[in-house]
Amino acid sequence: DQQVKQNSPSLSVQEGRISILNCDYTNSMFDYFLWYKKYPAEGPTFLISISSIKDKNEDGRFTVFLNKSAKHLSLHIVPSQPGDSAVYFCAASGSNYKLTFGKGTLLTVNP
Amino acid sequence: GAGVSQTPSNKVTEKGKYVELRCDPISGHTALYWYRQSLGQGPEFLIYFQGTGAADDSGLPNDRFFAVRPEGSVSTLKIQRTERGDSAVYLCASSYKGTETQYFGPGTRLLVL
Repeated sequence: DQQVKQNSPSLSVQEGRISILNCDYTNSMFDYFLWYKKYPAEGPTFLISISSIKDKNEDGRFTVFLNKSAKHLSLHIVPSQPGDSAVYFCAASGSNYKLTFGKGTLLTVNP
Repeated sequence: GAGVSQTPSNKVTEKGKYVELRCDPISGHTALYWYRQSLGQGPEFLIYFQGTGAADDSGLPNDRFFAVRPEGSVSTLKIQRTERGDSAVYLCASSYKGTETQYFGPGTRLLVL
């Protein structure tokens, strides 16, 4: 049973526009959420995170929104750049710190 | 500073052989994690070390898999009697004192023929 779901396997966006990547979770014990970006043949790179006590965290072009009642989070990238093209993973953790990942969304930003 | 490093970057072995995968965490990070990523999936948790001891090994798939971290820094993931289904990318991550943000290495791509 998947506890973290990324229902869109892929997303295509024009350069300069907003990219919105979505993630849903089922385990109410999760209290920390992270987004990682992954290029082919590399390990995941940490992007941004949010604690369950917050509903928004912003870092430059990246903003993560958390809706605890809906068990939903999203990553907004604005403006999108071609270098943002990668697979984005949503991950969640509880008190034991181990991360549970979604299957990822392949973002393609077209010039 | 230096990030998490993993060696080898690629490993090809034959079914039934023994392999060791090494992870060097970020200096000063006391927590170390191993994950496994199969094609089309997200990374899946294998084991978590806090210092020298395995705090959680609930993700190890069976007793062919074992990991050690004898001095609280470098860790080795050991796989005995490898099977074709063990083929995957093995990722290592570390974090400071078990805080939530984990930093990943580039992974070891294991192929069992």
